[in-house]
Amino acid sequence: SYVLTQPPSVSVAPGQTARITCGGNNIGSKSVHWYQQKPGQAPVLVVYDDSDRPSGIPERFSGSNSGNTATLTISRVEAGDEADYYCQVWDSSSDPYVVFGGGTKLTVL
Amino acid sequence: QVQLVQSGAEVKKPGASVKVSCKASGYTFTGYYMHWVRQAPGQGLEWMGRINPNSGGTNYAQKFQGRVTMTRDTSISTAYMELSRLRSDDTVVYYCAREASTVTTKYFDLWGRGTLVTVSS
Repeated sequence: SYVLTQPPSVSVAPGQTARITCGGNNIGSKSVHWYQQKPGQAPVLVVYDDSDRPSGIPERFSGSNSGNTATLTISRVEAGDEADYYCQVWDSSSDPYVVFGGGTKLTVL
Repeated sequence: QVQLVQSGAEVKKPGASVKVSCKASGYTFTGYYMHWVRQAPGQGLEWMGRINPNSGGTNYAQKFQGRVTMTRDTSISTAYMELSRLRSDDTVVYYCAREASTVTTKYFDLWGRGTLVTVSS
């Protein structure tokens, strides 16, 4: 099955830029989606199809994907951005169809 | 209001079965696949499978084949996930999630709040 690798944790000061990576074999050939999950809550979609934002998600959230790494970038980080972030891909030619990364805990210092 | 409302927490004994429901509102239930994703305490997200509410067709992750059954009742816009032969490591939160798609990919744009299932003797 396809494997997505995320760093367990990323720390950033308020107002700075956070970059959370998601590694996978030739992930640039797939579409990557990102979810934010705060404690005790369900995940929320923040970026889909590599770099698109759902309505209501601040422009501070952006994404890119190339080669073996996809990246979620959060600009001007706020305390409220502290959460777990998961990347996800879809591949109906493999099992399971949906793969999530292991998640990254973003800590705002 | 577009939302998915899941059934309440359950406590089950090892070897038993559990059936979790997910009621959709605010959109056409039969127009979107419904997925089930689970999460162990303090752990990541794990995909279990999906159901086409229109046809009832299902796709399950191989890990859960033979133990999971996903069904739906279109008359009440509700999807169900039943997991049998429960073990202690099935003590997790189960989420339903609505599938959104582009030409090449699928993702989840709406999630239920989750249902905690505790398996304990």
